Amino acid sequence: NAGVTQTPKFQVLKTGQSMTLQCAQDMNHEYMSWYRQDPGMGLRLIHYSVGAGITDQGEVPNGYNVSRSTTEDFPLRLLSAAPSQTSVYFCASAGGRGTEAFFGQGTRLTVV
Amino acid sequence: AQKVTQAQTEISVVEKEDVTLDCVYETRDTTYYLFWYKQPPSGELVFLIRRNSFDEQNEISGRYSWNFQKSTSSFNFTITASQVVDSAVYFCALSEANTGTASKLTFGTGTRLQVTL
Repeated sequence: NAGVTQTPKFQVLKTGQSMTLQCAQDMNHEYMSWYRQDPGMGLRLIHYSVGAGITDQGEVPNGYNVSRSTTEDFPLRLLSAAPSQTSVYFCASAGGRGTEAFFGQGTRLTVV
Repeated sequence: AQKVTQAQTEISVVEKEDVTLDCVYETRDTTYYLFWYKQPPSGELVFLIRRNSFDEQNEISGRYSWNFQKSTSSFNFTITASQVVDSAVYFCALSEANTGTASKLTFGTGTRLQVTL
């Protein structure tokens, strides 16, 4: 019963470094997405995917890249980390339109 | 564009009190889906309920109940006889069927509920 697995759980980066947040789901869900959670702002959509090979931008895509080469995996790449990207990142997957999304445990990222 | 408003930033109640969390949404779609999620202090997001725009029936699940009213674009959540374990941040979210997908949830800013003894 793994569901949605995110790694790492915690990460500290220096400004300008790059890294990839990993997300994998084992529910054969077509829909996957990345959100960031900042105090007082709820969760905001970064990028999303409606299937392997298909991705699109959400509300706050700048500074992030994604790819979806398989149904299971949806990594999020930070190209050049900035302090403004300090946040908690959640990956989610959903089985179909209107169905509930399942979330990973989150990654707490600090950029210094 | 869609929008979800949770005007209550923080609510404090004493155990066994009833509490209602408000959610107001905006959308141009005629078909949409509404959700409530709970985020306990441990940080994970827990799904509570889903409603589609065609189903205005209120729902009760144990101590939880939801009141969906399209006329006022509201989807409020009531906890009856609150318990300390209900302390969490609660998020209301919206997904549009026509312009969005299950991948695109618009969240409110959340309501932090603190239940004390």
